[in-house]
Amino acid sequence: DAKTTQPPSMDCAEGRAANLPCNHSTISGNEYVYWYRQIHSQGPQYIIHGLKNNETNEMASLIITEDRKSSTLILPHATLRDTAVYYCIVRPPMNTGFQKLVFGTGTRLLVSP
Amino acid sequence: SQTIHQWPATLVQPVGSPLSLECTVEGTSNPNLYWYRQAAGRGLQLLFYSVGIGQISSEVPQNLSASRPQDRQFILSSKKLLLSDSGFYLCAWSRDWVETQYFGPGTRLLVL
Repeated sequence: DAKTTQPPSMDCAEGRAANLPCNHSTISGNEYVYWYRQIHSQGPQYIIHGLKNNETNEMASLIITEDRKSSTLILPHATLRDTAVYYCIVRPPMNTGFQKLVFGTGTRLLVSP
Repeated sequence: SQTIHQWPATLVQPVGSPLSLECTVEGTSNPNLYWYRQAAGRGLQLLFYSVGIGQISSEVPQNLSASRPQDRQFILSSKKLLLSDSGFYLCAWSRDWVETQYFGPGTRLLVL
């Protein structure tokens, strides 16, 4: 499985954009980038995923570099409820049967008033 | 829409006692089901996964077992709990291997 590297913690002011980086320099061409977050004492929540193109949904935007070696999750207007641990995960190829998701230690985002 | 339930939410058990945690999924059929454990301050570790009734695969050797008696029911068990079994246990489901996994609210287990 490709490994990911994330900063252990980040701070963001409420109402500002939160940009969470992730390095995945060993990613292979058919591996997806997934983002989950885990609010304290809750189960992980799926946020977004992408392969090559940038993606946007109601929660966030995902920007993947052209070489696919890194990505950034963007929360456009962070709120206090966005305080959580954010996990960047590289999903093994879809055509190789079951492959487990590997959760690292993620980035702890603290949104302050 | 699909929902996933886990109970109990919290559990305190003595060492050596049995364990049974339950997970059920609503709004879908024949889901893939997963049990994860998260130790304090650590990432998630996959324990078991299941593709169908009675079909269980174990990821790591341990003191726990899993069963799937019904299509949308997944149970995590132990005959004798160890202190090291303490943690946050999460159940997840997906439509198949390639689809996104969705997690339940979790059960926090403390073994004393």
